[in-house]
Amino acid sequence: QKEVEQDPGPLSVPEGAIVSLNCTYSNSAFQYFMWYRQYSRKGPELLMYTYSSGNKEDGRFTAQVNKSSKYISLFIRDSQPSDSATYLCAMSAWDTGNQFYFGTGTSLTVIP
Amino acid sequence: GAVVSQHPSRVICKSGTSVKIECRSLDFQATTMFWYRQFPKQSLMLMATSNEGSKATYEQGVEKDKFLINHASLTLSTLTVTSAHPEDSSFYICSAPAPGPYNEQFFGPGTRLTVL
Repeated sequence: QKEVEQDPGPLSVPEGAIVSLNCTYSNSAFQYFMWYRQYSRKGPELLMYTYSSGNKEDGRFTAQVNKSSKYISLFIRDSQPSDSATYLCAMSAWDTGNQFYFGTGTSLTVIP
Repeated sequence: GAVVSQHPSRVICKSGTSVKIECRSLDFQATTMFWYRQFPKQSLMLMATSNEGSKATYEQGVEKDKFLINHASLTLSTLTVTSAHPEDSSFYICSAPAPGPYNEQFFGPGTRLTVL
């Protein structure tokens, strides 16, 4: 079983839709949770960062962590064509040093 | 956020040659940097951890002699692909943890290597 599972998609939504992206994980020691956005042929860009549980909101983006069920979510409201990218979840634990565990990424296309 | 740069952004080389890729943390120091490779439509695969002042730590299945890593200073790590072959063609990305308590990682823009 992989440490982090993420549906690769592809996911295609109309402009303005609410997008929900999810990752599940198996290591209960994970406590740092990140979402990265990666445009084609570019390096990943840190989008959201959450420590431990709870929600974090930044503009149209909301990151949610549910440690009891071991899953994290990223919600994108009022999606825009510029949101079309691959979204990678990543997580780490204090005892893994700085090593991150990545999901496979979900490819999202927002259709105008 | 912290900035990580990579050079070159794209390189095309002949089979058998060696290619060096640089990763720099521009506004912070990093005693550790990470090197990943990414195939099309796939996630990042950790290759090795670059440690300033000591040897790199390689992931299982990654050839140390083929992928040479040197963490020359607190702001520079280099990955050299030796005797490159077409199967080494990939997108290589480095990352560095930003200073602070939150364990944030910042990625370079990536280097696309094409071996003919």
